[in-house]
Amino acid sequence: QGLLVQSGAEVKRPGASVRVSCKASGYNFLTNGISWLRQAPGQGLEWIAWINPLNGDTFYTKMIRGRLILTTDTSTSTAYMELKSLTSDDTAIYFCARDSLESYNWIWGQGTLVTVSS
Amino acid sequence: DVAMTQSPLSLAVTLGQPASISCRSGQSLAHREGKTYLTWFQQRPGQPPRRLIYQVSNRDSGVPDRFSGSGSVTDFTLRISWVEAEDVGVYYCMQGTHWPWTFGQGTKVEI
Repeated sequence: QGLLVQSGAEVKRPGASVRVSCKASGYNFLTNGISWLRQAPGQGLEWIAWINPLNGDTFYTKMIRGRLILTTDTSTSTAYMELKSLTSDDTAIYFCARDSLESYNWIWGQGTLVTVSS
Repeated sequence: DVAMTQSPLSLAVTLGQPASISCRSGQSLAHREGKTYLTWFQQRPGQPPRRLIYQVSNRDSGVPDRFSGSGSVTDFTLRISWVEAEDVGVYYCMQGTHWPWTFGQGTKVEI
């Protein structure tokens, strides 16, 4: 069925960086892309980036490109996102997901709250 | 980016009555491979979203059959044949035909 477990909540100062991990289990990590999405407090869902764990191909939205780096460690089936130059606008719950546009199920991580505050 | 517009943004429903949510895209969501990548998610308070429907009208495993999706090209609809208390939450449409994938604003369903 599959499971994604994310790292815990983070509080960061403006200008700092944050790294969130997403460990996969219960499925072949190499066979599906990992999407990263975020949800600001009381707001809707925003898809921000995607990585193919098999070959490292990435896609970033224009808004986040240049500040976000996605990586994977295939030896531990873990995906990482690192977001730099944080501002208060980056305060959100960050979700990783084994995305699916087909019949196999879409799996969500539990979410990681990143709070940016001085 | 493809704009996704949902309506209404808020929906007060009566238990046992039907409900309907509209989603319109700024471009055709018909993919060159012949599929249409329109997905519906449900998000209950305090939880990650859950996928309900993929490719316009295919229900995910475990999703009650009172949920159905329909539509084509740029106009799509999620219908709940009869609303139950557990259906309270926010519903999002998402297009996966064009990069970047984009979501509608969400429709809050409350009893």
